[in-house]
Amino acid sequence: DIQMTQSPSLLSASVGDRVTINCKASQNINKYLNWYQQKLGEAPKLLIYNTNNLQTGIPSRFSGSGSGTDYTLTISSLQPEDFGTYFCFQHNSWPLTFGSGTKLEIK
Amino acid sequence: EVQLVESGGGLVQPGRSLKLSCAASGFTFSNYGMAWVRQTPTKGLEWVASISTGGGNTYYRDSVKGRFTISRDNAKNTQYLQMDSLRSEDTATYYCARHQFAYWGQGTLVTVSS
Repeated sequence: DIQMTQSPSLLSASVGDRVTINCKASQNINKYLNWYQQKLGEAPKLLIYNTNNLQTGIPSRFSGSGSGTDYTLTISSLQPEDFGTYFCFQHNSWPLTFGSGTKLEIK
Repeated sequence: EVQLVESGGGLVQPGRSLKLSCAASGFTFSNYGMAWVRQTPTKGLEWVASISTGGGNTYYRDSVKGRFTISRDNAKNTQYLQMDSLRSEDTATYYCARHQFAYWGQGTLVTVSS
């Protein structure tokens, strides 16, 4: 199984900050990497698909990059509504696997 | 608008069965693979199973192989998850998702407990 190691697990940042969240796969996932935001009591919401493609309706302050085993989600200027938990997800090979999550708190 | 609505969750005793349903609307259901994903506070998000457009190909995580069966009825725009021999570790919120996991339902809670 491909292990997805996500870091950090907890992040506290201020409005306007540039924030990065990382995900490292245990093997090459060929850019088949999605990023999700989840708020309490809600389903995960897709932000970025296949490494760097912005989902329709998602603000352009969100971006993704990476290749091989290393991937990054960047929020260029943190907004108050960006609090929540962020997950990476690989859909390159079975079984599909998620990262353990990064809880983003707004200072 | 794409909508996925799960139903069928509830409290069930260990060893018993439960069948989840996911009613889809707002897209051509038969054109998309479908999946089930579950979530717990301790284990996080876990992909459970996926099914191809016609239902001929299915995929499962190891811990549910032989106990869970994913299926679909394209005439009814609905997918299912038959869960047998349930264990306490299957307790989770179960989400229906459309491949490539852009759209998710609101989730249904399954609690396995005596």
